[in-house]
Amino acid sequence: AQKITQTQPGMFVQEKEAVTLDCTYDTSDQSYGLFWYKQPSSGEMIFLIYQGSYDEQNATEGRYSLNFQKARKSANLVISASQLGDSAMYFCAMREVLTCFKTIFGAGTRLFVKA
Amino acid sequence: DADVTQTPRNRITKTGKRIMLECSQTKGHDRMYWYRQDPGLGLRLIYYSFDVKDINKGEISDGYSVSRQAQAKFSLSLESAIPNQTALYFCATSDQSSGAQYNEQFFGPGTRLTVL
Repeated sequence: AQKITQTQPGMFVQEKEAVTLDCTYDTSDQSYGLFWYKQPSSGEMIFLIYQGSYDEQNATEGRYSLNFQKARKSANLVISASQLGDSAMYFCAMREVLTCFKTIFGAGTRLFVKA
Repeated sequence: DADVTQTPRNRITKTGKRIMLECSQTKGHDRMYWYRQDPGLGLRLIYYSFDVKDINKGEISDGYSVSRQAQAKFSLSLESAIPNQTALYFCATSDQSSGAQYNEQFFGPGTRLTVL
């Protein structure tokens, strides 16, 4: 069955430093997609980055990069040069072809950026 | 204007009442979803619809029902609300057409529901 695990309920990082948010997943499907979303205190869900299971290179979007280790079934989000505005809840999510593209989410990691 | 809207944004109701949460989208997406968010549990899928004639149960559909009135509208009903349905509810859409780059989900602003 699909499963997403985010083991860090909360993380602290100093402003301007890099931080890695962990995500592991479980799937028997060979074709799937991995997503990260940000939820600031205002509550909206913001799409950050996507990694396809067949993508050979790690995805990058500005200060966000996805450290994709397929054999270990991990898809960690790396935020470089943290900013105060990065303080938010971050969710890892997965979509499988076998489940007709249904997307499931992890429990989330709350990131606190310190000035 | 927001592409995915939800009404109401906040609702307080009593146990046993029937509640409907509405979602509308102007993105032209075929797929729509309802999630609930609870602290420590992330987002859990309640129902999803891949087109007007296709409705599917998600992880936690018990106590909920949905209606896809049109491609742009997807409503969630709680037939007899109970306190453990107190949560933040999100509607989302996605485009599974070949032209969509990532097929990511676009979320509405959420509805905060409190059942007393």
